[in-house]
Amino acid sequence: GQNIDQPTEMTATEGAIVQINCTYQTSGFNGLFWYQQHAGEAPTFLSYNVLDGLEEKGRFSSFLSRSKGYSYLLLKELQMKDSASYLCAVRTQNSGYSTLTFGKGTMLLVSP
Amino acid sequence: DSGVTQTPKHLITATGQRVTLRCSPRSGDLSVYWYQQSLDQGLQFLIQYYNGEERAKGNILERFSAQQFPDLHSELNLSSLELGDSALYFCASSVVAGGRGTGELFFGEGSRLTVL
Repeated sequence: GQNIDQPTEMTATEGAIVQINCTYQTSGFNGLFWYQQHAGEAPTFLSYNVLDGLEEKGRFSSFLSRSKGYSYLLLKELQMKDSASYLCAVRTQNSGYSTLTFGKGTMLLVSP
Repeated sequence: DSGVTQTPKHLITATGQRVTLRCSPRSGDLSVYWYQQSLDQGLQFLIQYYNGEERAKGNILERFSAQQFPDLHSELNLSSLELGDSALYFCASSVVAGGRGTGELFFGEGSRLTVL
């Protein structure tokens, strides 16, 4: 089976930096994704890591350590619109086909 | 707009009934995935199809079934509905079923099912 853990809730202030951690245990690992989901809306893709290291994309960065089963999403210069749920998702590959398993998400509240 | 279309957006029905949710993937995407999202469980993977064939099954109940048609649209059938089936059901599509490229999923807006 697979196990993906991330904090349930986090709070931060507008303009600040926040780091959302994700740990996972899985077999057939083939990449880690971060998605953003506003309440009642569809998840939208933020970032993807398959190799160890940091991927930077504007205000968002994501880090992966495969040996530690660990990833984080770093959000800089927080804005009110960043208040959302952030979903860590692990892709596993078996028999040539991939599936994506999501964590329960971290609800981020950005306050003025 | 992700390009994935789901209907209906909202559905209210009674226990014991049967409903069908429909999904049209992005143009060119061969893989379709169904997820269930309830308040306390997060996004739960139900089932995946690739080019009309079932490829992976997750926590899908026996009361639920799905299929992908030759035109690549997919339907999720939920029968003998229970109160606990109330949830947001998402369909997602991707261009590849294997591990090539990013393989990110594009999600539809979801179908909100309420069972009374």
